[in-house]
Amino acid sequence: GAVVSQHPSRVICKSGTSVKIECRSLDFQATTMFWYRQFPKQSLMLMATSNEGSKATYEQGVEKDKFLINHASLTLSTLTVTSAHPEDSSFYICSARTERAGDGTDTQYFGPGTRLTVL
Amino acid sequence: GENVEQHPSTLSVQEGDSAVIKCTYSDSASNYFPWYKQELGKRPQLIIDIRSNVGEKKDQRIAVTLNKTAKHFSLHITETQPEDSAVYFCAASMGGGNKLTFGTGTQLKVEL
Repeated sequence: GAVVSQHPSRVICKSGTSVKIECRSLDFQATTMFWYRQFPKQSLMLMATSNEGSKATYEQGVEKDKFLINHASLTLSTLTVTSAHPEDSSFYICSARTERAGDGTDTQYFGPGTRLTVL
Repeated sequence: GENVEQHPSTLSVQEGDSAVIKCTYSDSASNYFPWYKQELGKRPQLIIDIRSNVGEKKDQRIAVTLNKTAKHFSLHITETQPEDSAVYFCAASMGGGNKLTFGTGTQLKVEL
């Protein structure tokens, strides 16, 4: 249980194009999903909190017009990197919140990540 | 906001030895402290977590201790094996459903 998928796993695009990344909870419903960015050999930095049916909450310094988040259903959140530039190249990871089987504690499970390379 | 510091940044141990990674947090309202293991290019995997009403939790070779007064928590891995080699991240939040603030990570290398 508690499987989170992401698509695509890897994308290479030209500067100026937009890229959409999907995050799905496969066997549970997730009212809250989180989007992180991770640069090589660095920690995970939270970009935004995505709540189903409402606007995302962005962390300080993250441009909401550049990183568009849509959480249209309880199993799907999308991140669109608009007008991508080489400095946006990174590993983007989503996570979904759910109750853990066994003890029912509220915790986060991560997707496999999307490697974005902008040329 | 919350700030989590993690030490050491790299740790090399011999197979069979123990490894200890330490984290401190700043926000006394934080009450949930998970630990994640991340292999190169892969997703972070939750390996153990602890809540503020507990001082210690153990799962086979892995244990976590929490000192709320001092605002620090530690990961202990005993009888280390080569497959334990990875980057380990601690994190803190105000409840499991709230956003996580991650530490900077520890690259653990278990040598034969």
